[in-house]
Amino acid sequence: RKEVEQDPGPFNVPEGATVAFNCTYSNSASQSFFWYRQDCRKEPKLLMSVYSSGNEDGRFTAQLNRASQYISLLIRDSKLSDSATYLCVVNMWITGGGNKLTFGTGTQLKVEL
Amino acid sequence: DAGVIQSPRHEVTEMGQEVTLRCKPISGHDYLFWYRQTMMRGLELLIYFNNNVPIDDSGMPEDRFSAKMPNASFSTLKIQPSEPRDSAVYFCASSPDRVVIQPQHFGDGTRLSIL
Repeated sequence: RKEVEQDPGPFNVPEGATVAFNCTYSNSASQSFFWYRQDCRKEPKLLMSVYSSGNEDGRFTAQLNRASQYISLLIRDSKLSDSATYLCVVNMWITGGGNKLTFGTGTQLKVEL
Repeated sequence: DAGVIQSPRHEVTEMGQEVTLRCKPISGHDYLFWYRQTMMRGLELLIYFNNNVPIDDSGMPEDRFSAKMPNASFSTLKIQPSEPRDSAVYFCASSPDRVVIQPQHFGDGTRLSIL
């Protein structure tokens, strides 16, 4: 089983739609969680952190369910510019020091007119 | 402010040649990471450094891969000899501090093609 699993998509949605991505992680010791966005042929960039209480940033809402080891990202009123690949990222402290980010393979979103 | 700087942006070389990828992290960032991204496997962590010291190299695929960080502002990832299956985008990233979780800032990547 992969450490971080995502539906690869693509999700093709019309402009203005609401779309949700899910992500599951296998290691219950994981400590922090993020969503990154990656545009075609570009580097990944942090979209938002994910907190246990859930958090919102404009049209984007992230949720974490530790019991189910599940993370979600909701995008409301999607825009053409939201078209990208969304990477679920899990962070864990490593015995002996340091931390380790594990990236999912990403979910591709295409927003269409 | 300058971000993470990688060079070269693109590299095309023949199988068996030595390849050296370079990275300059953001000034003041104590952590430096090397990743490889392919369609099949996504983004994989190869190795990371803290204060120039390698902490975890368990992601380095095999002995053909080596990474160094001789000082706080420079790191290299070397492949010798290179093979076609090494073709991928290689990203370098840096972050400031592990005590407070900080996002990683990625460079533009090096697109490597081994013929």
